[in-house]
Amino acid sequence: DAGVIQSPRHEVTEMGQEVTLRCKPISGHNSLFWYRQTMMRGLELLIYFNNNVPIDDSGMPEDRFSAKMPNASFSTLKIQPSEPRDSAVYFCASSFMGRGSNEQFFGPGTRLTVL
Amino acid sequence: KNQVEQSPQSLIILEGKNCTLQCNYTVSPFSNLRWYKQDTGRGPVSLTIMTFSENTKSNGRYTATLDADTKQSSLHITASQLSDSASYICVVSARTNDMRFGAGTRLTVKP
Repeated sequence: DAGVIQSPRHEVTEMGQEVTLRCKPISGHNSLFWYRQTMMRGLELLIYFNNNVPIDDSGMPEDRFSAKMPNASFSTLKIQPSEPRDSAVYFCASSFMGRGSNEQFFGPGTRLTVL
Repeated sequence: KNQVEQSPQSLIILEGKNCTLQCNYTVSPFSNLRWYKQDTGRGPVSLTIMTFSENTKSNGRYTATLDADTKQSSLHITASQLSDSASYICVVSARTNDMRFGAGTRLTVKP
């Protein structure tokens, strides 16, 4: 298995532009998570889906952020309009929620720089 | 105030030496505690997971301990290697998918 796949790996954009981050979870996993990591705040959970349905989006900073999961193998995190303070590494993770440890497997992350 | 506090913030040790990282938490109720290793430029990778009834778990040269009464955990690394240089993140779950993250300890192993 290729693990969690994220694209792009790096994104540089100008303030005000729309940014779309993409994630392909591990096949067979039923939960997907979007995280943001910065030096100041560490890892923060933004939103997670279970069976393609958003369960908890309380971590989404504001209305400029939106996430979708149209099917079990694809999710997007969109920022519109982007601001310099959105600069961070965004991680996607997936897990199988059921019996057991519910261990999350993280993708390599997308490093976003908003100028 | 963060419910998961890690110490030290950073640590430098010589290759071959042992070290112990600390994690104190106030998360309640408690479901499980995980230690993750995050190499620079990569996503976190799970090292260990412990539930309330477990007080120690090993993964190779990594040994995690948990004292649920005092709400403390430690990660002990034995015979450190250069490849152990990374950030180590303690994550405490109150319930499934309700995860609280520590700020991490940045470990540098020098030759």
